[in-house]
Amino acid sequence: NAGVMQNPRHLVRRRGQEARLRCSPMKGHSHVYWYRQLPEEGLKFMVYLQKENIIDESGMPKERFSAEFPKEGPSILRIQQVVRGDSAAYFCASSPSAGGLGDTQYFGPGTRLTVL
Amino acid sequence: AQSVTQPDIHITVSEGASLELRCNYSYGATPYLFWYVQSPGQGLQLLLKYFSGDTLVQGIKGFEAEFKRSQSSFNLRKPSVHWSDAAEYFCAVVEAGTGFQKLVFGTGTRLLVSP
Repeated sequence: NAGVMQNPRHLVRRRGQEARLRCSPMKGHSHVYWYRQLPEEGLKFMVYLQKENIIDESGMPKERFSAEFPKEGPSILRIQQVVRGDSAAYFCASSPSAGGLGDTQYFGPGTRLTVL
Repeated sequence: AQSVTQPDIHITVSEGASLELRCNYSYGATPYLFWYVQSPGQGLQLLLKYFSGDTLVQGIKGFEAEFKRSQSSFNLRKPSVHWSDAAEYFCAVVEAGTGFQKLVFGTGTRLLVSP
């Protein structure tokens, strides 16, 4: 049973370029969460999605960041016109279809974005 | 808003010694509390979680945690540390009022294990 998959594991972009981060949840999971971990900090919630729906994006920066979870395929976190401050590790987690407060979130290995 | 405090940034423990990692939270009602471990270059793995009931929770890899409402604490313990336990440990709480599992994490405690 494959876990949560994220790719790429490492991504280097120059300022002004676009970054696309992909997350494939565990089989049978239809809830996806994205978190950002800045250096020397804990994880910060960004967005919560279900298939074809953004449920809560209260942690997403208002500009340049977007997320989707299409009916088919992985969830995508897109960062347009990256700046140095976007350099961080981005983690995806998935949970079973119940989506309740007591669920366990299963985390992927993360994508480490470096902006030059 | 809920918050989680992990007062120790780094802790060094000798292999075989006992371990306690501190976690304090701010929350009005009974919280949903979690401990995760992150090995270098890896994602987070759930060690244990508390929702209600017995305040002493057993987890994987020999870890346990005790919920103390009077102290707003949820400290993680292990009686005998192994070298493979060296990692970063995060305490987290579910933010209230969101209707889903929106986790609020502490800043983490990095555990070093000395021979």
